[in-house]
This record gives sequence, C-alpha cells and structure tokens, in this order.
Amino acid sequence: KAGVTQTPRYLIKTRGQQVTLSCSPISGHRSVSWYQQTPGQGLQFLFEYFSETQRNKGNFPGRFSGRQFSNSRSEMNVSTLELGDSALYLCASSAQQGAGEQYFGPGTRLTVT
Amino acid sequence: QKEVEQDPGPLSVPEGAIVSLNCTYSNSAFQYFMWYRQYSRKGPELLMYTYSSGNKEDGRFTAQVDKSSKYISLFIRDSQPSDSATYLCAMSANSDSWGKLQFGAGTQVVVTP
Repeated sequence: KAGVTQTPRYLIKTRGQQVTLSCSPISGHRSVSWYQQTPGQGLQFLFEYFSETQRNKGNFPGRFSGRQFSNSRSEMNVSTLELGDSALYLCASSAQQGAGEQYFGPGTRLTVT
Repeated sequence: QKEVEQDPGPLSVPEGAIVSLNCTYSNSAFQYFMWYRQYSRKGPELLMYTYSSGNKEDGRFTAQVDKSSKYISLFIRDSQPSDSATYLCAMSANSDSWGKLQFGAGTQVVVTP
C-alpha cells in the first residue's frame, strides 16, 4: 500500500507570495492533519480534516488555511508569505478520526526569501 | 512551559547498548501516546502507539506510560547504528482531538559502531 505523498517536495517563494501544498493520504484513510516543523518550535499542529470538514485547528494566523476533497486528498494554503513561514510542512493521515495511528508523509520544505 | 517536555540531547551510545528516552507532560487529559523516529530530511515514522497506562513491546522497542507520574519512556534494546535518528514523543487527549498531536522537541540519538 502506498504511503502518504506530498507535493511538491521543495519550494522556494518570495515574501508576500502565496503557496499551495498538496497531500494524498494512504488509500482508505479519511483523516488528514497538517503540521509545521521548524528547528526552533519543533512540530506544531496546524489543522485536521475529516470527511471534508475541519475538525481541529492549531494556533496559527488566518493566513494558513486548508481544505479536504471528497477523495480525502488535502491542500493547505499560506497567503502573504513571511520569512518565518520557512519550514518543513508535514501531512499525516489516519484511517478514521478519533482513533488509529497517524502516518506521516515526507513533507514539503518551503523556503521563503 | 510546554505541555510536553523532551530532552533534545544529543544522546550518544555505543552499538549494542540500551537507549532510554523519555518525555514528561503536564496535561492530564492526554490518553494516547506515540513515539516517532525521524531521519534527517524525512517525515516522522510511527514506532509505537499506546493507549493509557502500561507497557507495550514490539521487537527491540518497549514503550512505557505512567499516567500517574505523567511520564512516558521508550527503550531500544541492542541498538544499531541505523537507530541513529531523532526520536519524538507525541500525545493527544480524547478521540475528538486525536488528529491534534502535541509533540516533544525530539531527542537526537547517535549510536556509534
């Protein structure tokens, strides 16, 4: 069974631009969570989606948004990029909301210049 | 104070030794406990998943949870150089917030041949 896939793997953007990252969960998994990983703050929860609905949200500004499609694929969008948004963005999927292990993708490394 | 505390290391051990890792937490609502391994430039890989208190063993890995002390541990027996990685503890409260994992900072482990 294929794992969680994320595209693109690497991205370089300029301050003020916006970016969209994509995540395809493991086949059959319906829950997708997004995390930001930085050397200073570690792994921080962004949001969780299940059945196209946002179920939980972390403490990030409104510039960070996401959505989930009917096939469980998910996207996250960051608008008006800031230098501090440079990070590894990780997506994790699980079979159902509220139970089961979470499996992570390889991440998208975003660099903002 | 962070909800989950984890010594960042690095922790250096000789090949064949037992690696002992731990995390403490402050939120008594945490019920689900996980350990992830993350190699450089990769996404976290789930190693162990435990619900509530107790021990769980899987091959060379043993996870322990002591909810009364708010303390979790991971032991790696017969450590190998391939175990060199960053180990992250993660936890969540009730099933409604399952997707919202709280991570420790991660402990860097180096197993020397």
